[in-house]
Amino acid sequence: EPEVTQTPSHQVTQMGQEVILRCVPISNHLYFYWYRQILGQKVEFLVSFYNNEISEKSEIFDDQFSVERPDGSNFTLKIRSTKLEDSAMYFCASSGIKGGEQYFGPGTRLTVT
Amino acid sequence: EDQVTQSPEALRLQEGESSSLNCSYTVSGLRGLFWYRQDPGKGPEFLFTLYSAGEEKEKERLKATLTKKESFLHITAPKPEDSATYLCAVRNSGGSNYKLTFGKGTLLTVNP
Repeated sequence: EPEVTQTPSHQVTQMGQEVILRCVPISNHLYFYWYRQILGQKVEFLVSFYNNEISEKSEIFDDQFSVERPDGSNFTLKIRSTKLEDSAMYFCASSGIKGGEQYFGPGTRLTVT
Repeated sequence: EDQVTQSPEALRLQEGESSSLNCSYTVSGLRGLFWYRQDPGKGPEFLFTLYSAGEEKEKERLKATLTKKESFLHITAPKPEDSATYLCAVRNSGGSNYKLTFGKGTLLTVNP
């Protein structure tokens, strides 16, 4: 069964450093998303991406964040200068159609020290 | 602003003891209510999508129903392997309607 994969599973970084979280969405999907979940809190939407551009973003997704689809299979989330409050699980998701169900990856646990 | 409230926050059942989880929502035009299962340290696993009041979906021991204000996830004769956090999420009809708004979830524990 096709699934979304994410690497790394755990990333530890120092405050102020740049991190790139990587995702491989389901191969025939066209819509891609990033969410995050701070420990003990809700899953929160960050950004959606379609046709090589951002289609929607939340207020969390400020200038420190960027997304890219560098090739036909990968989808990345970059945080330019990490802060302690960026520590969270980051989930990538994809869907085959607009408005369709979103399938989530296993997540990357980001720890900022 | 879309809001999703799930209750109870935690539920402990004995194996075989049926129950229901509640998801109340406020959304400006519902374009889908989604149920997910999340195991500790894992990503949400898609279960169901419901689009209109009166709709029902079933999968094994789970059945999801939808009204204009809430959704229920009914668990019939649960087994220990059903233990997980169950998340409810909504998508609205406004804007570009891509994002899901999640509730905090119900942590279900099924004891053998």
